Amino acid sequence: GENVEQHPSTLSVQEGDSAVIKCTYSDSASNYFPWYKQELGKGPQLIIDIRSNVGEKKDQRIAVTLNKTAKHFSLHITETQPEDSAVYFCAAISNNAGNMLTFGGGTRLMVKP
Amino acid sequence: DGGITQSPKYLFRKEGQNVTLSCEQNLNHDAMYWYRQDPGQGLRLIYYSQIVNDFQKGDIAEGYSVSREKKESFPLTVTSAQKNPTAFYLCASKWAGTEAFFGQGTRLTVV
Repeated sequence: GENVEQHPSTLSVQEGDSAVIKCTYSDSASNYFPWYKQELGKGPQLIIDIRSNVGEKKDQRIAVTLNKTAKHFSLHITETQPEDSAVYFCAAISNNAGNMLTFGGGTRLMVKP
Repeated sequence: DGGITQSPKYLFRKEGQNVTLSCEQNLNHDAMYWYRQDPGQGLRLIYYSQIVNDFQKGDIAEGYSVSREKKESFPLTVTSAQKNPTAFYLCASKWAGTEAFFGQGTRLTVV
């Protein structure tokens, strides 16, 4: 089945700096890669996603890049703000796995004012 | 409003007691999922259902049971066989090939 690994597990940045979270996946049939943000005590919320026919997608301060050859994708947050502090999860969907969503282990991002 | 609703938000269970967590969605999604999250940890899949009247075990199904009698509903029962049930439980739903929508979670505590 699909295996998604996420790094780093914790990330601390100064307000205004950029943050990058990286994920790798194992199943070359995976074709959809969402990113979720989870605030304390709440359910994860989708913040951005990318499909396998696209190499990069941007939404204001957030961008995601995908390298299908290397089987890795990354989340980039620019000009970080304290409200960006949360746990971020990457995920992958593979047609081989019955469209199951496989999550990475999560990254705790702390933005210091 | 379309969405996925979990209830209750907080639940307390006595030793040896079964409790049921509710998950309802009005998004017309075929697939529904239950995850367990321990403090500072990721999401572990308990059970999932891709169609009404059918469900499959996830990675940590022991001590849990589910039913999927209606498309909108996927309740999770935490049985007395689950020895360490204190955790944050998340329900999600999705269509094939799209993102999952999550509920706001139920925090279960053994007292």
